[in-house]
This record gives sequence, structure tokens and C-alpha cells, in this order.
Amino acid sequence: DGGITQSPKYLFRKEGQNVTLSCEQNLNHDAMYWYRQDPGQGLRLIYYSQIVNDFQKGDIAEGYSVSREKKESFPLTVTSAQKNPTAFYLCASSNRDSRFFGPGTRLTVL
Amino acid sequence: QKEVEQDPGPLSVPEGAIVSLNCTYSNSAFQYFMWYRQYSRKGPELLMYTYSSGNKEDGRFTAQVDKSSKYISLFIRDSQPSDSATYLCAMSAVGAGGTSYGKLTFGQGTILTVHP
Repeated sequence: DGGITQSPKYLFRKEGQNVTLSCEQNLNHDAMYWYRQDPGQGLRLIYYSQIVNDFQKGDIAEGYSVSREKKESFPLTVTSAQKNPTAFYLCASSNRDSRFFGPGTRLTVL
Repeated sequence: QKEVEQDPGPLSVPEGAIVSLNCTYSNSAFQYFMWYRQYSRKGPELLMYTYSSGNKEDGRFTAQVDKSSKYISLFIRDSQPSDSATYLCAMSAVGAGGTSYGKLTFGQGTILTVHP
């Protein structure tokens, strides 16, 4: 089955810790994205990558970092510098016309 | 002012009703328009995609785009309880090479409940 997988589904973090969210796609898409979703605010773009070894900041990149070493993988690290990291994180990939989303990771800071 | 405005609802309708979901936008560069459906605690699922003014129909769903008014709509006919979800509009400008690889701007989402 082609698709986007994210892991873990739920993640709990203590304050001051860095955590990494996994995103893998087997759709052979060049472009991949990370979004954050908060109640009442829709989806906000954190980072995106249009090609391997290249990525750009989105609207809310502060406190986050990414890498794109392989076409299939685009992991997101939430660092301790992110002031309010509790949210639902969505990974996406796109072909020429459409953007497809993974099932999401819910991150909670304890 | 946000680039894309969407009434968050919530919207509650009886089964069989016609539902109208709407978004307005301010950026005249937007050329690609999408509607996503998101069930609770799941990722958004692409419902409709269009890049021109007018109507596009797919089963019980019709997407309407009016670029002159900067207004898009999604109509759901014969609504079912399984349509209960959050609906997100999204749009983007024409990117490099005419693709939509670039930034996609989302509305806040409308919560829809269809009750039996």
C-alpha cells in the first residue's frame, strides 16, 4: 500500500527534552512538509522540503529542526527551544497537483 | 487580516440536508483550491481539487470557485452521519513550473455534525 506513515501516534515529552517525530512516504513524492495543528487555528507550516538535502522554513519554524537525507524520510525534531510544543503534528507529501497527509502524531509536554 | 477565512462553525444539520461550507481569501495570486475532510484524531483527506473558476462535481460533493469574488464553497448533498468531520479549505499560488509544490494556506476548518 502506498502512503505516509508517522510514528509514534502519541508522544509525551518532559520539558527541556528534544524529541524526534518520524515521517516516511513510499509515494515517490519529491516534496514533503511538516504542519502543526492547534484547535481553532487550522494548519500552520513548520518546514518543507522540495528535494533531498534541501529544506525551507515555513511560518513557524522557531524551535524546530528537520533533515532530508533520503527522499522517503523527513523527520522533525521538536527542541527544548519550542515554547509551546503540545499540538497535533502532521506530515505531508505532494506530487504535481495534490498534497497528501499522514495520520499525525499527538505530542504532549508534561 | 488572515489570507484565508473560514467560518469555524460548529455546523449541525439533519441527515439528508444540503450543506454549504465556505471560504474567502484575500490573495489574488491563489490559483489552486482544495477541500480536505478530517475525522477526529486523523490526518486530513483530500476531497476535491480544482484550479479554475466554476463548479466541479464528484458524487455528492460539489466544489465551487469564484475568483472574481475570492470565494470558494463546498456543497454536500444528501448529507450522511459519516460526513461528520472537520472540513478544511486550502489554496496556493502557482509555484515554480506551474506546480503546487509551494506553500499551501489553510482555513481554520469548519466542524460539521450530521445527526440521524
